[in-house]
Amino acid sequence: GAVVSQHPSWVICKSGTSVKIECRSLDFQATTMFWYRQFPKQSLMLMATSNEGSKATYEQGVEKDKFLINHASLTLSTLTVTSAHPEDSSFYICSARHNYEQYFGPGTRLTVT
Amino acid sequence: DAKTTQPPSMDCAEGRAANLPCNHSTISGNEYVYWYRQIHSQGPQYIIHGLKNNETNEMASLIITEDRKSSTLILPHATLRDTAVYYCIVRDPAYSGAGSYQLTFGKGTKLSVIP
Repeated sequence: GAVVSQHPSWVICKSGTSVKIECRSLDFQATTMFWYRQFPKQSLMLMATSNEGSKATYEQGVEKDKFLINHASLTLSTLTVTSAHPEDSSFYICSARHNYEQYFGPGTRLTVT
Repeated sequence: DAKTTQPPSMDCAEGRAANLPCNHSTISGNEYVYWYRQIHSQGPQYIIHGLKNNETNEMASLIITEDRKSSTLILPHATLRDTAVYYCIVRDPAYSGAGSYQLTFGKGTKLSVIP
């Protein structure tokens, strides 16, 4: 139980375009989901906390207008990287909270050319 | 959440026990010790957690010192598939204050299992 999926697993996009990443809790409902970003050889950094039916809470230094988060249902949160640039290339990982614990998705590798 | 200190890297021979240490000297009474690992290009995987008693599951054992200021994750028979970055995190899962829910990752220990 407590499985989290992400789609797509990898994506390549051109600079200036937008990319949407989906995070789903497959066998539980999650009122809270988290989005992390991980650059090569670095640790995971929390970007934002997503709460179902309300606005996301962004960490300091993360642009909310660039990284749009929508948590419209108890099983789905989406992260949209708007006007992507090469420096946004990274590994994006979502996590869902369930029974006080966090369960992680497999990650999405974004490459912006 | 309390901070943790882990060695940046360790090697372990295949088939031997891997003992990964973690210092958390500022841990508070309600905080648990969690261990996750991240295999290259994958999401973090939960391993084990504990409060003060030693814990064991099918993946590993967790030994917490009596004063709770440090702990050791033990992989009893390391395999090549155990090569990963191991993260030790302390948190109170029930704390409802600001910034409480999420797991905060440090740099972890890169474990290399050698044939």
